[in-house]
Parts: sequence; structure tokens; C-alpha cells
Amino acid sequence: EIVMTQSPVTLSVSPGERATLYCRASQSVSSSFLGWYQQKPGQAPRLLIYGASTRATGIPARFSGSGSGTEFTLTISSLQSEDFAVYYCQQYNDWPRAFGQGTKVEIK
Amino acid sequence: EVQLVESGGGLVQPGGSLRLSCAASGFTLSSYSMNWVRQAPGKGLDWVAYINSGSNSIYYADSVRGRFTISRDNAKNSLYLQMNSLRAEDTAIYYCARDEWPPYFQHWGQGTLVTVSS
Repeated sequence: EIVMTQSPVTLSVSPGERATLYCRASQSVSSSFLGWYQQKPGQAPRLLIYGASTRATGIPARFSGSGSGTEFTLTISSLQSEDFAVYYCQQYNDWPRAFGQGTKVEIK
Repeated sequence: EVQLVESGGGLVQPGGSLRLSCAASGFTLSSYSMNWVRQAPGKGLDWVAYINSGSNSIYYADSVRGRFTISRDNAKNSLYLQMNSLRAEDTAIYYCARDEWPPYFQHWGQGTLVTVSS
């Protein structure tokens, strides 16, 4: 079973600043099988990135994903007010399709 | 437009059963694998179950295996989750999500709340 660990748990960032979120897998994950989601209170998750680095339809260019093997990163280049939310990574390399525990990006 | 609408949630006593449904529209359900994902109050996302288009490949999270059954009726454009022997820790919003290729969850329903309490 692959365990996904995200860090930090909470990230305090000022609007306009850069945010870097980390996701570590307990075993190697194919880059094709790593996704990132954004979730706001009371809403379903929204796909941001799939295949580790491909932005989903309609996702702004300020969101980017990178990484391979066991280390993956989501970067938000210049935080906008609508980006304050919880972010999750998920692996699809093996069963169960585990999510990380989430990183909350809050206003500093 | 792709739409997924869950229903069937509610309050149930520990040990009880509930059947969730996910109505699909805007696409041909029979062409896609589907998933259930849940989220306990104030907690993170928890993948629950997967079923492929032909219902011959099914996977479960360890926490629900033997108690939950995922199924589908492509003719009715519907996905189901039969939940038996419910526990307090099954209390969550349950989402259905469409599987893409390479796998990711582009489309989600709005969720249905299941509360297990006496």
C-alpha cells in the first residue's frame, strides 16, 4: 500500500506570494499517475493537475506541478484570493488510490 | 455537460445499511470506470471503491472491504454503493467521481451525507 504524505500541513502565505506544496509517496509512483486537487469549504474537490505536471482544463497557468518517483511538488506562482483552500495529492499507481492528508493554504 | 448527482444519504444507526446512488448524465456511463470517495467531517479525502465499465474489475479500501459493495447499472446510467454493517467512522460525505485515462478524477458529484449514529 502506497502512503502519501503532504507537507506542510498548513501554509500561511500573503496574496501575491509563491506557495510550494510537497507530496511524498512511500513507494515510487509513475508520474502519469499523480494528481493534485483543490477543495474549498462546502465544495467537491476540483482537479488541478494530472500526470504530475499537466494542468486540467481551465486551470490557470499560475498552478504548476512537477516531480517524479516519490517526490512531487505543486507550485502556485502568485497566490490569488481564490486560491486559499485545501490541496490534496493522490496516487493512481496502485490500490488503494490513496490521497495525501492535505495542505491548507491560508492567508498570512 | 457531465453531471453526477448522488443521493441516498441520511441518518442510520450503527450496524445498519444504506444504499447510495449516483446518477450520471451528459456522457455514456458504460464507457467509464467510476469511483466512490468519502470525506469525514473536517477531515481529508478518502478513496473508497472503484468499478470498471464492465463491472469485472472492482477494488475497495481496506476499511470498507467486506461491508460495502460497489455496483453499476449502465442501462440506468447509475452507480451504486451498498453499505452494510455501518460504523460511526463511516460518517462522511460520499462523492462519486468519474475515472479518466490516464487516471484522475475530473468530474465529481456534489456529495451525499451519511451519518451513522444512535
